[in-house]
Amino acid sequence: DIQMTQSPSSLSASVGDRVTITCQASQDITSYLNWYQQKPGKAPKLLIYDASNLETGVPSRFSGSGSGTHFTFTISSLQPEDIATYYCQQYDNVPPRVTFGPGTKVDIK
Amino acid sequence: QVQLVESGGGVVQPGRSLRLSCGTSGFNFSSYAMHWVRQAPGKGLEWVAIIWYDGSEAYSADSVKGRFTISRDNSKDTLFLQMNSLRAEDTAVYYCARDLAARRTYFFDSWGQGTLVTVSS
Repeated sequence: DIQMTQSPSSLSASVGDRVTITCQASQDITSYLNWYQQKPGKAPKLLIYDASNLETGVPSRFSGSGSGTHFTFTISSLQPEDIATYYCQQYDNVPPRVTFGPGTKVDIK
Repeated sequence: QVQLVESGGGVVQPGRSLRLSCGTSGFNFSSYAMHWVRQAPGKGLEWVAIIWYDGSEAYSADSVKGRFTISRDNSKDTLFLQMNSLRAEDTAVYYCARDLAARRTYFFDSWGQGTLVTVSS
């Protein structure tokens, strides 16, 4: 089974800061990697799909990159409404399987 | 407007069964694969199961295989999760989620609000 790791597990940054989260897969997953935002008490929300594609309606300050085993998620200018936990998620289809990373909690300093 | 509404959660004793439902509206339910994803209190997200758009195939995580069964009724636009032999570690908020694809998994583009299942004696 593919294992996903994320770092850091939590971070605290100031409004306007650039925030970067990394996600590592235990084996090559090409670009089968999505990113979600989950605010407290709410369901997750899709932000990025296939490693680097911005979901419709998501602000452009969010971006993703990477392929293979190493991926990066960036918030170019942190806003107060970005306080949340961010999860990477890989998918496979032989057979269908989904694995989430452990999450990164983002707070305002 | 896409809507997914879970129901059926509650407190159940270990070893007992529970059936969750996910009612949907605002989209052509029979065209999409559907998932269950769970989240234990204070923990991360864990994928549970997927079912193809027509119900012809279903797959589940190893942690629930043989105990949980995902199914759907396309005539009623409803997704189900039958949970048997429940354990304390199954305690979680259970979300239903829509996949962009019909007969594979891609990404979850819509989620319900979740229903809490607590397994406790």
